[in-house]
Amino acid sequence: AQRVTQPEKLLSVFKGAPVELKCNYSYSGSPELFWYVQYSRQRLQLLLRHISRESIKGFTADLNKGETSFHLKKPFAQEEDSAMYYCALRTDTGRRALTFGSGTRLQVQP
Amino acid sequence: DAGITQSPRHKVTETGTPVTLRCHQTENHRYMYWYRQDPGHGLRLIHYSYGVKDTDKGEVSDGYSVSRSKTEDFLLTLESATSSQTSVYFCAISEPGTGQETQYFGPGTRLLVL
Repeated sequence: AQRVTQPEKLLSVFKGAPVELKCNYSYSGSPELFWYVQYSRQRLQLLLRHISRESIKGFTADLNKGETSFHLKKPFAQEEDSAMYYCALRTDTGRRALTFGSGTRLQVQP
Repeated sequence: DAGITQSPRHKVTETGTPVTLRCHQTENHRYMYWYRQDPGHGLRLIHYSYGVKDTDKGEVSDGYSVSRSKTEDFLLTLESATSSQTSVYFCAISEPGTGQETQYFGPGTRLLVL
């Protein structure tokens, strides 16, 4: 079965510092990887997906199949980036549901 | 917000009572999902539906049942609520085969079982 691991429960940085939220996965096929963000008591929103290779709100993530990782990065953190971040995986089988990691809370201090 | 609503948004109930949560979408998406969100676990799939009357179990389906009689509505029922079912419940929708298939989430329902 597939699994997504986010090793850090909390990541606290100062405004302007670089940010890297770690995500590792285990799956034998070809997965799709996503990052979702949840601001305080709001619904989850898609931040980015690996197949788009786009940058949203200054965040980027590269799928590293060799290391089975999909780390989320931003060069300069902003206070408004404070939120819960979830890494998620979708398998290449028929079921379309996502498998989520346990989440990392990012706290950006002024 | 992708036209997904959930009701109720908050509910307090007692152990042993039945509870039904509703997810309503206006996007005509084929797939609908119920997840629960718990600290330290992220979101876990309870049940999902791939069409009207077509449903299947997720990883944490024990104690839950679902029904989908119309494309737009997906109901989650706790037959006899237990304290372990205290959680935040999120509904999601998606439409496969659209190139960049995205799963959109509802606002969530906070359920407290006393």
